[in-house]
Amino acid sequence: GNSVTQMEGPVTLSEEAFLTINCTYTATGYPSLFWYVQYPGEGLQLLLKATKADDKGSNKGFEATYRKETTSFHLEKGSVQVSDSAVYFCALSDIQGAQKLVFGQGTRLTINP
Amino acid sequence: NAGVTQTPKFQVLKTGQSMTLQCAQDMNHNSMYWYRQDPGMGLRLIYYSASEGTTDKGEVPNGYNVSRLNKREFSLRLESAAPSQTSVYFCASSENRGLGGYTFGSGTRLTVV
Repeated sequence: GNSVTQMEGPVTLSEEAFLTINCTYTATGYPSLFWYVQYPGEGLQLLLKATKADDKGSNKGFEATYRKETTSFHLEKGSVQVSDSAVYFCALSDIQGAQKLVFGQGTRLTINP
Repeated sequence: NAGVTQTPKFQVLKTGQSMTLQCAQDMNHNSMYWYRQDPGMGLRLIYYSASEGTTDKGEVPNGYNVSRLNKREFSLRLESAAPSQTSVYFCASSENRGLGGYTFGSGTRLTVV
């Protein structure tokens, strides 16, 4: 079945550091890929997405590129801020039926000033 | 711009009690979903409704039932609550079967004692 694996957290960085959160997936066909962010006490918000190979999704300084050859969708940001502290989820959209989202386990990111 | 509204936000139940979690969306989305979030396990799909009048089981449906009351509303019922159902529950909706990403509610934190 389809699955998503994220790097284990928690991840702690200093402000202005470079961020990478690794995400790899297993799927049949060519799913759409997503990154969601969850701030404390809130629901998940869509951060960015990519729908086909080599697409780059970007938003709020975050980027991720759909790499079919390595089945990866790593999240990157060049200079993180304290306000980026949250839990980040990688997900893929099942291409069958109702196209349900399958989530990774989440990575907790803490940015220290 | 309410989006997806879930009620209640918090609930404590005794083992064996029943309750219904309510979810409503005002974006005219066709598809709706119920997920549960547990530490270290990401989000797992309980039930989903691809369109009004249809419902299907997800990854972890045991102990739950759902009703797609109309296009706006999708409720989740626990008939006889168990401690294993202690979790945070999220409702989500999607316009085109998940391909564009989901909009999530803010969640219901349920504790079963």
